[in-house]
Amino acid sequence: GAVVSQHPSWVICKSGTSVKIECRSLDFQATTMFWYRQFPKQSLMLMATSNEGSKATYEQGVEKDKFLINHASLTLSTLTVTSAHPEDSSFYICSARSSGGGTEAFFGQGTRLTVV
Amino acid sequence: DAKTTQPPSMDCAEGRAANLPCNHSTISGNEYVYWYRQIHSQGPQYIIHGLKNNETNEMASLIITEDRKSSTLILPHATLRDTAVYYCIVRVESGGSNYKLTFGKGTLLTVNP
Repeated sequence: GAVVSQHPSWVICKSGTSVKIECRSLDFQATTMFWYRQFPKQSLMLMATSNEGSKATYEQGVEKDKFLINHASLTLSTLTVTSAHPEDSSFYICSARSSGGGTEAFFGQGTRLTVV
Repeated sequence: DAKTTQPPSMDCAEGRAANLPCNHSTISGNEYVYWYRQIHSQGPQYIIHGLKNNETNEMASLIITEDRKSSTLILPHATLRDTAVYYCIVRVESGGSNYKLTFGKGTLLTVNP
């Protein structure tokens, strides 16, 4: 299957700082990427849909000014957690769907964020 | 959006077939059934998807009932590495050709030696 890579795999940051997470489609172009968040022992919750060249669409209850999404190219989307707090500690996962066809989405390996 | 219902957990003996059921009684005619799995602390992995016909690939088989209200994912020879949470998802249309996947709680499959 297609490969989606996230970086970093894990990050620890101080409260109040910002953290950027990258999501890359390595062998295909992705018009649309999705960002999810997963708390321990819970399922994945969709945060936002990232569209190349346009603004992201956020799910209800997700603060767009806190979780900044940029999808500047067909192979890269970034999620920046601004002014991170301990409650933002979570497993963040991106997924991407090929622009060239195919209906399945492929997922990155996830980024474990710990805010101390 | 069609919802899915899965048992919270299942056990299977190594080498035996694992049959994971999913109920999606409100599925629409143009909605696909997708299966993903998530091994602990990793991103979800695509397994298989189908519309109405049964499907098979190198990982699994997907059996969809004629009325499409339920389906079963079959892992023919489960191994310890198949221990994971398995998600049955019905594809949701979101903004034209885009779509999003809404995850439920899934089924934790534990393969025992």
